[in-house]
Amino acid sequence: SYVLTQPPSVSVAPGQTATITCEGDNIGRKGVFWYQQKADQAPVLVVYYDSDRPSGIPERISGSNSGNTATLTITRVEAGDEADYYCQVWDKDSDHWVFGGGTKLTVL
Amino acid sequence: EVQVGESGGGLVKPGESLRLSCVVSGVTLTHTWMSWVRQAPGKGLEWVGRIKSQIDGETVDYAAPVKGRFTISRDDSKNMVYLQMNSLKTDDTAKYYCTTMRPENYYGMDAWGQGTTVTVS
Repeated sequence: SYVLTQPPSVSVAPGQTATITCEGDNIGRKGVFWYQQKADQAPVLVVYYDSDRPSGIPERISGSNSGNTATLTITRVEAGDEADYYCQVWDKDSDHWVFGGGTKLTVL
Repeated sequence: EVQVGESGGGLVKPGESLRLSCVVSGVTLTHTWMSWVRQAPGKGLEWVGRIKSQIDGETVDYAAPVKGRFTISRDDSKNMVYLQMNSLKTDDTAKYYCTTMRPENYYGMDAWGQGTTVTVS
């Protein structure tokens, strides 16, 4: 089955840029989705199909995908961005959806 | 605004069954796929299964850990989706989320309920 690997944690100071990676075999050939889950809340879709944002998601949040790595970038980080972030893809071979293990973003 | 709400969680013993329900409002389900996702205490997200729209054949797929034990169904006339869980195991203990998947978001999981907790013990 397809495996997505994320760093367990990322820390960044307010106002700086946070970069969260998601690695998978030829992930650049797949559409990647990103979810934000704040403490004790349901997840929220923040990026779909590599780099598009649903309505209401700020432009500070962006995504990219190439080769074996997809990346979620959050610029001008705020305290309110502190959350767990999950990447996700659809595995065509199994017709299954796969999540990465999640990355905890800490705002220092 | 799309709203999703789950119900039916509870405490059951290993081997028992439980049926979760999910009600969706603010969107017609004609072109909407639905998924169930679970999250064990302190753990990450795990996809459970997905049912496509009626137009797309209502095809259902399940993650390996639940295949053969869980069944997803839908009733578009009631805007409802169900997750029938049989032969429950302690490893099935989790919060279960229902999500919409719409074509305009490339079938990303674009609306989530607050989840319902299932405890198998």
